[in-house]
Amino acid sequence: GAGVSQSPSNKVTEKGKDVELRCDPISGHTALYWYRQRLGQGLEFLIYFQGNSAPDKSGLPSDRFSAERTGESVSTLTIQRTQQEDSAVYLCASSLEGALGSNQPQHFGDGTRLSIL
Amino acid sequence: AQSVTQPDIHITVSEGASLELRCNYSYGATPYLFWYVQSPGQGLQLLLKYFSGDTLVQGIKGFEAEFKRSQSSFNLRKPSVHWSDAAEYFCAVGPSINYGGSQGNLIFGKGTKLSVKP
Repeated sequence: GAGVSQSPSNKVTEKGKDVELRCDPISGHTALYWYRQRLGQGLEFLIYFQGNSAPDKSGLPSDRFSAERTGESVSTLTIQRTQQEDSAVYLCASSLEGALGSNQPQHFGDGTRLSIL
Repeated sequence: AQSVTQPDIHITVSEGASLELRCNYSYGATPYLFWYVQSPGQGLQLLLKYFSGDTLVQGIKGFEAEFKRSQSSFNLRKPSVHWSDAAEYFCAVGPSINYGGSQGNLIFGKGTKLSVKP
C-alpha cells in the first residue's frame, strides 16, 4: 500500500486479556518503530527494528510487552495480561533506514486505539 | 540527556492570524529536527524537517521553521492560519545518538494543541 497500515484501528478488551496489534510498513522500508501515545502526551518510544539486526527493546515498559517482525515486513506488538494503564494509542512508523546518522523521515500509521476496561 | 520541550500546551489563534509554535531541544550534537502534525484520530504527518544547510526550511501546507543553534530552538511558523490547521503539533529530534538508548528512534515533545477561532 501507499502508507503504513495498522490494524485494528480500535480495540476494546478486558483487563487481564492479551492483545495483538499489527503494523504493515511501507514496502521497502527497513526500519520499523512502535510508539505509545497516552492521552494528552507526546509519543513514547517502545521498540525499533532495523533490517535483520537485533531489535532495540529499550523502550518497552515491562516484560508484558513484546514485538516481532518478520524480515522487513509485518510487525506485531503483543501486550500480555493487559492493565488499565496500557490504554493508549499505539503508533507504528517506518522509514527507509534507521542507522545512526540516517536522515530518513519516519512515516506513521493512523494508530490503534487500545482501551482496557 | 536528549529532550524536546514544547512550552505551550494549547494555543488559540484567529483564522488569518500568524502562528508561531515553540520548540526547544537538548542534544549532544547537531540534531535532525522534525515537525509533525496530528489531526484527531489520525497518525502523524510530517510537515517539514531540518538536517543541514539553510536554517530556514519550508514545509507543506505553508509552514516553515527556523533552526537557531544559539537558542537550541526550531520554532514552527505560518503567516496566515486556516481553520483546517487546527490539530496537535509535535516537534521531534533524532535519530538519537546511542547514549545507552536507542539508535534511530525520534524523541518527541509533548505537543501543542492548536485551536483556530473563526
